[in-house]
Amino acid sequence: AQSVTQPDIHITVSEGASLELRCNYSYGATPYLFWYVQSPGQGLQLLLKYFSGDTLVQGIKGFEAEFKRSQSSFNLRKPSVHWSDAAEYFCAVGAGDDKIIFGKGTRLHILP
Amino acid sequence: GAVVSQHPSRVICKSGTSVKIECRSLDFQATTMFWYRQFPKQSLMLMATSNEGSKATYEQGVEKDKFLINHASLTLSTLTVTSAHPEDSSFYICSASHSGGTDTQYFGPGTRLTVL
Repeated sequence: AQSVTQPDIHITVSEGASLELRCNYSYGATPYLFWYVQSPGQGLQLLLKYFSGDTLVQGIKGFEAEFKRSQSSFNLRKPSVHWSDAAEYFCAVGAGDDKIIFGKGTRLHILP
Repeated sequence: GAVVSQHPSRVICKSGTSVKIECRSLDFQATTMFWYRQFPKQSLMLMATSNEGSKATYEQGVEKDKFLINHASLTLSTLTVTSAHPEDSSFYICSASHSGGTDTQYFGPGTRLTVL
């Protein structure tokens, strides 16, 4: 069965520091992979997605993610975080039948 | 483009009443809409998938008589929580897809339901 694991429930980084959020997936075929961001009380915004091709994917707001098949990972990175990046981040995998399976999320806290 | 709205954004109701939540695709035709439920500090759980003009497909464990889904047009899907109870309190999020593929799901802003 398809699944997504985000090992870190909370991550705290200082403003201006680099960020990496971890995501591991389980899927039998080539996955569709997504990262979404959710601000408090808000819906989800798509940051980036991977379907095929270049394994390093660029997204909005300066985020990028790298698909590593050998590690079944799709970690999200940003070289320098801003206070406005504080939010909940969800990794997700396309599970076939148009469904998306979400990870449990990682809450990002930014220190001034 | 690809904007999805939900109404209401917040609703408080008494136990035993029914609540209807609307999900609209504002600038595209959505052949498929999805309804998710999100508990506090939890991930999104898919409740059901609805295709315009046909019955919704519910995920295992979701009561179809409790959560009525109607997708009557290509721009509107509704979720009705019938005989709501406090345990139904949650954040409900819809998404819409115009091609049915996972690459085109656009999410609404969510509806916070509180059942007293």
